[in-house]
Amino acid sequence: DGGITQSPKYLFRKEGQNVTLSCEQNLNHDAMYWYRQDPGQGLRLIYYSQIVNDFQKGDIAEGYSVSREKKESFPLTVTSAQKNPTAFYLCASHLGAGTEAFFGQGTRLTVV
Amino acid sequence: GQNIDQPTEMTATEGAIVQINCTYQTSGFNGLFWYQQHAGEAPTFLSYNVLDGLEEKGRFSSFLSRSKGYSYLLLKELQMKDSASYLCAVRERGGGSYIPTFGRGTSLIVHP
Repeated sequence: DGGITQSPKYLFRKEGQNVTLSCEQNLNHDAMYWYRQDPGQGLRLIYYSQIVNDFQKGDIAEGYSVSREKKESFPLTVTSAQKNPTAFYLCASHLGAGTEAFFGQGTRLTVV
Repeated sequence: GQNIDQPTEMTATEGAIVQINCTYQTSGFNGLFWYQQHAGEAPTFLSYNVLDGLEEKGRFSSFLSRSKGYSYLLLKELQMKDSASYLCAVRERGGGSYIPTFGRGTSLIVHP
């Protein structure tokens, strides 16, 4: 079955550490993107990519980095520069204009 | 940029009808989406409107008025499982990205 998979579901990070969240899709979608969701908040865009080897900053890119070496994969690294990383992270993809986004199941990151 | 506004919380009774409104301001409208999100889970797609009018899908309907920058999601014959957050998202033309911007979501509580 086609879909979009995020791992891990839960992640704990010590202060000062970098962590990488995985996002893989087998839907053959060109566009992939990362959102962050905080309690009671909407989804805020971190980074997006429309094509392999190209990506753009979203509204809250500071403290995050991404890569898009393969069409299927769009990993997100939360760096130590991100001062408040505890949140629910959602990866999504879509085929093109006029089509809906498909979401992964999310990764809940907690700083300990 | 976009400004999307929806009520924070609504309550309704099982079996009733509820309407969740969404207003937006955008310089280049390219479609409006409604998603349902249960706590701790990923958003799931409900509806898409790009032209004015009503789109019906079973118990759920969505309406759009582009001239007023207004949409609503109508849920009929409410069930307890409809208790969730409902996210309005607007896609904007320009830059070729087609990445949607999300509102903060409306938390719907259905009680017996």
